This record gives sequence, C-alpha cells and structure tokens, in this order.
Amino acid sequence: KAGVTQTPRYLIKTRGQQVTLSCSPISGHRSVSWYQQTPGQGLQFLFEYFSETQRNKGNFPGRFSGRQFSNSRSEMNVSTLELGDSALYLCASSVMGDHNNEQFFGPGTRLTVL
Amino acid sequence: GNSVTQMEGPVTLSEEAFLTINCTYTATGYPSLFWYVQYPGEGLQLLLKATKADDKGSNKGFEATYRKETTSFHLEKGSVQVSDSAVYFCALSVGNFGNEKLTFGTGTRLTIIP
Repeated sequence: KAGVTQTPRYLIKTRGQQVTLSCSPISGHRSVSWYQQTPGQGLQFLFEYFSETQRNKGNFPGRFSGRQFSNSRSEMNVSTLELGDSALYLCASSVMGDHNNEQFFGPGTRLTVL
Repeated sequence: GNSVTQMEGPVTLSEEAFLTINCTYTATGYPSLFWYVQYPGEGLQLLLKATKADDKGSNKGFEATYRKETTSFHLEKGSVQVSDSAVYFCALSVGNFGNEKLTFGTGTRLTIIP
C-alpha cells in the first residue's frame, strides 16, 4: 500500500506570494491533518479534514487555509507569505482521525520564504 | 490546555548503552500517549503508543509506560544501535470525537556513536 505522498517536496517563494501544498493520503483514509514544523516552535497543528469538512483548527492566522476533496486528497494554501512561514509542512492521514487510529505522516514539503 | 515536556537534547550515547528520554504531560481529560521518531529527511513514524493508564507500549526494543500518577511516558531502550539515531517526539491526543490533534513535545535528537 502506498504511503502518504506530498508534493512538491521543496519550494522556494518570496515574501508576499502565495503557495499551495498537496497531500494524497493512504488509500481508504478519510482524515487528513496538517502540521507545521519549525526549529523554534516545533510541531504545531494547523487543521484536520474529514470527508471534505474541517473538523479542527489550530491557532494560525487566516492566511493559512485548506480544503479536502471527495477523494480525500487535501491541499493547504498560505497567502501573503512571510519569512516566518519557512518550515517543513507535514501531512498525516488516518482512517477516522481519532486517537485509536494511527496517523501516518508523509515526508513533508519544505517551504523556504525569501 | 494540553502540553508535552520532553527532555532537552541532544543526547549522545555509545552503541549498546541504555537509553531514557523523559516525557511528562499536562492534559484535560484522558489522553492517549505516543512516541514518534523522525529520521533525517523523512516524516514522522509512530514508534509506540499507550491509550490508558498503566499500559505499556513497545516496538523495536523501545518501551514506554503510561504513568498517570506522575503524568509521564518515558521512552527506554536497553541497548541502542547506531540505526536508532534520529529525533524522538513525545505526543498526546485527547478526545473521543474523531478529530483529535496531536500535541507534540519539542523533540530530542539522539545520536549513537559506534
């Protein structure tokens, strides 16, 4: 079974631009979560989607948004990029999204904002 | 709120040494506890988990016991190998609604020298 895939793996943008990251969950998984990983703040939860609905959201500004499609694939978008948005963005999928189901992480997209 | 505190790194050990990485938590409700491992250039992998007090999670020679009385979930391994070099994250999730986020500790970088 293929794992969680994220595209692109690396991305370089400049301040003020916007970016879209993509995540394809494991087949049959309906929950997709996004996390931001930085050296200073560690791993922080962005949001979680299940059956195309956002069920949970972390403490990030409105510039961070996401969506999920009917095939469970998910995208996250960051508008008006800031230098502080440079991070590794990790996507995780699970069957239902509850603590009894393991979350499987993708390799991440490394975003650099110049 | 929920939080996880784990031992500051980096930790450097010789091969076959005994490993302990401390993890304590604060949570509202009854959390499930996890240890994740991140190898260089990769996403996170679930190492082990425990979902209720006194449960012991184990995998690949690693163990951790859910101690409610001390709110701890320390990771141990009796004899480490060079291949165990990675960053280890303690995490928790709380809730029963199928949308629980993972709250992570800051991570502990472990280096094993031959």
